[in-house]
Amino acid sequence: AQKITQTQPGMFVQEKEAVTLDCTYDTSDPSYGLFWYKQPSSGEMIFLIYQGSYDQQNATEGRYSLNFQKARKSANLVISASQLGDSAMYFCAMREGAAGTYKYIFGTGTRLKVLA
Amino acid sequence: NAGVTQTPKFQVLKTGQSMTLQCAQDMNHNSMYWYRQDPGMGLRLIYYSASEGTTDKGEVPNGYNVSRLNKREFSLRLESAAPSQTSVYFCASRAIEAFFGQGTRLTVV
Repeated sequence: AQKITQTQPGMFVQEKEAVTLDCTYDTSDPSYGLFWYKQPSSGEMIFLIYQGSYDQQNATEGRYSLNFQKARKSANLVISASQLGDSAMYFCAMREGAAGTYKYIFGTGTRLKVLA
Repeated sequence: NAGVTQTPKFQVLKTGQSMTLQCAQDMNHNSMYWYRQDPGMGLRLIYYSASEGTTDKGEVPNGYNVSRLNKREFSLRLESAAPSQTSVYFCASRAIEAFFGQGTRLTVV
């Protein structure tokens, strides 16, 4: 079974609008972390935002926010006021395991295209 | 502030050849990781090292070996390259979030 599911292979959004990229996860660990990474066409992986499983509030980093719904096991990324430079591949990832034995599991990604 | 450095950035191998991908981090992280990225499959963990002197298999370890030479360096070796190993390889290290290298685009012909 997929541990991280990103159901949107591709998304379009108009510049300056907000967009939500979906991510659901599956784990039986009580302690885990959820991450979003951006991969532009240049290929590097850029960390965007992190949410711990025990964090009470949704994480925010500038224009990025993570809509964490623990009961639904979803961790959607919201990008507000989209910019052309946001066009990229976006990966949701989950960290499992105990400290010292952490493993990351990645989703298959969502390609976002911002339209002018 | 180099972060995570991978070499080489590009490589073409013939089937059966061997090579080692190098990775070094200067952030004093204990954990280091090797991933491969294939179209439509996200990143899959090949091997990881929770600390100096330890290595463990990830999701897709077959055909690869690793060495955690010291805290800074974690290398990935292909003993006999196969076309199925054509991929983009990422090394990562981390504290909370993962810091990735720039990737190595490997083509096996």
